[in-house]
Amino acid sequence: DGGITQSPKYLFRKEGQNVTLSCEQNLNHDAMYWYRQDPGQGLRLIYYSQIVNDFQKGDIAEGYSVSREKKESFPLTVTSAQKNPTAFYLCASSLAPAFNSPLHFGNGTRLTVT
Amino acid sequence: AQKITQTQPGMFVQEKEAVTLDCTYDTSDPSYGLFWYKQPSSGEMIFLIYQGSYDQQNATEGRYSLNFQKARKSANLVISASQLGDSAMYFCAMREVDSGGGADGLTFGKGTHLIIQP
Repeated sequence: DGGITQSPKYLFRKEGQNVTLSCEQNLNHDAMYWYRQDPGQGLRLIYYSQIVNDFQKGDIAEGYSVSREKKESFPLTVTSAQKNPTAFYLCASSLAPAFNSPLHFGNGTRLTVT
Repeated sequence: AQKITQTQPGMFVQEKEAVTLDCTYDTSDPSYGLFWYKQPSSGEMIFLIYQGSYDQQNATEGRYSLNFQKARKSANLVISASQLGDSAMYFCAMREVDSGGGADGLTFGKGTHLIIQP
């Protein structure tokens, strides 16, 4: 079945460490996205990529980095510069970067930094 | 100013009743899309329904329909004959055209927590 795989489901890190969240899709979608969700809140866009080897900052990119070397993969690194990294992270993809193209989401990674 | 406003933080509804979840949006672009997602307690985001700014008719998908009032900038989700499994967070979202003619990601509202009571 086609879909978006995020791993791991739960991730624990010590403060000051960088951590990379994995996102893989086999939907053959061009565009991929990373969102952050805090408790009781909506989703906020961190980074997005409309095509391989290109990506743009979203609303809250500070303290995060991404790469898009392959169409299927869009890993997110949470760096030590991110002041409040504990959150639920959701990866998504869409067939095209168009206003009528819905996003399809993975199951998320819950990151806890202590 | 918020682009997506959901004014109902929480709602309790009796099973089998119809439910309307409110959503208003703010944009000056003529081309945009409106989306509703369901997020159960497990966390995944499930796409429910889409309405385009140029669509003349309200979108419907099974028990879900979207009451689109363009002049009021309103895109309310209607769930008919609610079921216990409909209990979840519901998010309204909008996608606009970016400066390059494509679109960036979705902008989400803060959500409505819907609880269906037996």
